[in-house]
Amino acid sequence: DAGVTQSPTHLIKTRGQHVTLRCSPISGHKSVSWYQQVLGQGPQFIFQYYEKEERGRGNFPDRFSARQFPNYSSELNVNALLLGDSALYLCASSLAEGIWTEAFFGQGTRLTVV
Amino acid sequence: DAKTTQPTSMDCAEGRAANLPCNHSTISGNEYVYWYRQIHSQGPQYIIHGLKNNETNEMASLIITEDRKSSTLILPHATLRDTAVYYCIVRVGGSNYKLTFGKGTLLTVNP
Repeated sequence: DAGVTQSPTHLIKTRGQHVTLRCSPISGHKSVSWYQQVLGQGPQFIFQYYEKEERGRGNFPDRFSARQFPNYSSELNVNALLLGDSALYLCASSLAEGIWTEAFFGQGTRLTVV
Repeated sequence: DAKTTQPTSMDCAEGRAANLPCNHSTISGNEYVYWYRQIHSQGPQYIIHGLKNNETNEMASLIITEDRKSSTLILPHATLRDTAVYYCIVRVGGSNYKLTFGKGTLLTVNP
């Protein structure tokens, strides 16, 4: 069975540019969450989507946005990139909202802003 | 979500039990204790969770004190592949999937 897949695996961008990261959840999972992990820290929650609606947002600026598509895949967009946006971006999928099941994480996208 | 405190790092000999402590003295009655681990360059992996009873699965055991202010994750026979950062997370179960990670404990299993 395919797990959570993220693309690309690595990315280098220049300050001020825009980036789009993609995530495909496990088949049948309807909830997708995004996390940012900077070096030496634990992952920090950015967004959660369920059934194409935003269900939660972390303490991140409006430069960060996301959406979920009818097939439950998701995109994370970051505008006007800053050096501090360099991090591992993780996507997690879960089966359903309201029923706790474990969150499955992808391998992440390593973003480097130069 | 309640805050947790974990040691920064721990060592364990291969084949021995690894006992990873976590303090969560401000935990509320409806908050669960979750453990995830992150092996270098991979996404976090769920290990186990519990509310107040001790729990065991194929990966580990979770021991929660009676007052629920602390817990211990036990890996019964640690292997080199268990070297990872282990995160203890306390949160309300159910309606959303926000996980608040701290810095975790780097467990190094030595041969």
